Amino acid sequence: SQTIHQWPATLVQPVGSPLSLECTVEGTSNPNLYWYRQAAGRGLQLLFYSVGIGQISSEVPQNLSASRPQDRQFILSSKKLLLSDSGFYLCAWRAGRRDTDTQYFGPGTRLTVL
Amino acid sequence: GQQLNQSPQSMFIQEGEDVSMNCTSSSIFNTWLWYKQDPGEGPVLLIALYKAGELTSNGRLTAQFGITRKDSFLNISASIPSDVGIYFCAGSILNTGNQFYFGTGTSLTVIP
Repeated sequence: SQTIHQWPATLVQPVGSPLSLECTVEGTSNPNLYWYRQAAGRGLQLLFYSVGIGQISSEVPQNLSASRPQDRQFILSSKKLLLSDSGFYLCAWRAGRRDTDTQYFGPGTRLTVL
Repeated sequence: GQQLNQSPQSMFIQEGEDVSMNCTSSSIFNTWLWYKQDPGEGPVLLIALYKAGELTSNGRLTAQFGITRKDSFLNISASIPSDVGIYFCAGSILNTGNQFYFGTGTSLTVIP
């Protein structure tokens, strides 16, 4: 079966510090991968998605970036965090074809920027 | 981007009552998904729908893919305290990109 991991689970960082969040998927190959941010427990904002190694699409211009160095690894980064980057970051992968299309989420990373 | 209107925004109900919530879109969707999110955790997939008119159950949960393909409904029967959480709908449009579009969520509180 497929499993999606995220780490760290929680992170407290000062403003201006760098960021690296990691997401890995097990049990599938060549998945579509996604990074979302959720503020105040509501509303999922799509940040980036990737359809393959090295292929990144950005949905929202900001000081975050994403990379996919391996098929089942998706990384969210920042060179300098802002207060507004605080939130709950969710990684997800998409599975299936037309009649089985689904998306599964990881456990999330709670980021607090102080 | 595509907007999904999810309602109600929040619900406060007595334990044992039934719950209904819905999502509507301005475009025709070919997939509807329903998720539940507990505090501090990632959303968990509850039900997936792929055909107009499809009615699918998962225990006390039942979801329907609207006939117009522009809406979907989730019903919870005989609510219990562990049903508390935020419920999200999500949909995708065939051959128009790689993303799912999400509703803004329905916060459910069950009063024992």
